[in-house]
Amino acid sequence: GENVEQHPSTLSVQEGDSAVIKCTYSDSASNYFPWYKQELGKRPQLIIDIRSNVGEKKDQRIAVTLNKTAKHFSLHITETQPEDSAVYFCAASPREVDNDMRFGAGTRLTVKP
Amino acid sequence: GAGVSQSPSNKVTEKGKDVELRCDPISGHTALYWYRQSLGQGLEFLIYFQGNSAPDKSGLPSDRFSAERTGGSVSTLTIQRTQQEDSAVYLCASSLTSFKEDTQYFGPGTRLTVL
Repeated sequence: GENVEQHPSTLSVQEGDSAVIKCTYSDSASNYFPWYKQELGKRPQLIIDIRSNVGEKKDQRIAVTLNKTAKHFSLHITETQPEDSAVYFCAASPREVDNDMRFGAGTRLTVKP
Repeated sequence: GAGVSQSPSNKVTEKGKDVELRCDPISGHTALYWYRQSLGQGLEFLIYFQGNSAPDKSGLPSDRFSAERTGGSVSTLTIQRTQQEDSAVYLCASSLTSFKEDTQYFGPGTRLTVL
C-alpha cells in the first residue's frame, strides 16, 4: 500500500520568511495529493491540492509542487504570518474511486512574530 | 448548511468496555471516512463508506473495530473490549462523492480515553 513520509516534523520560522514542507510517497499509482492544515484542537481543513497531471499549483501565499518521477511533493508558504502556525498534513491517494487516502505524520509549523 | 458532526466529543472508558462513536456527515454526502489521530501523530485511515457499503476494511487495526453506516447517512464506529492503545481522537470526514478530488470535510472528532 501507499506510504507517505513527511519532513520536517517541526519547523520554526520568523514572520515574513518562507516555509517549505516536503513529502514523499511510495505508490507510483498515486495521483492526488491534498494538504491539510490543523490548528490546535481543531479539525483538519483542506488548504490546497494537486493532481499528477500538474507540476505546480499556487493559491495566494501557498503553493504546492509535484515531482512524479522522484515521487515527492512540497508545500511552500511565503510571507508567513503568525496565523499560519498549525500542523500541516500531506496526503496521497492512489485510487480513482476507492479512497484510502494516506496521510503523512504532520509538520508543526511555528511562525514567530 | 451544517457541517460534519460527531458525538460524543469526549469519551472516557475503562479498559475492556465497548464504545460506540457516531458520525453525522454533511447532508447529501455519499462518501464517509473514519480516521484515527493519536496524540501528536498523523491521521491514520480506518475505513471508508460509499453509501452504506465499505469496499475496504483493511485499515481497521483489529477485529475489535467495526463500523457501519445505515441509510447512507449516519455512521457508527464500534470498538469492543477497548485497550489503552485505542486512546486517540477519532475523526470522521465526508465528501460529496467518492472521487478523491472531492474535498473531505472533517468533523470535530471524538477524543477517546481508555483508562
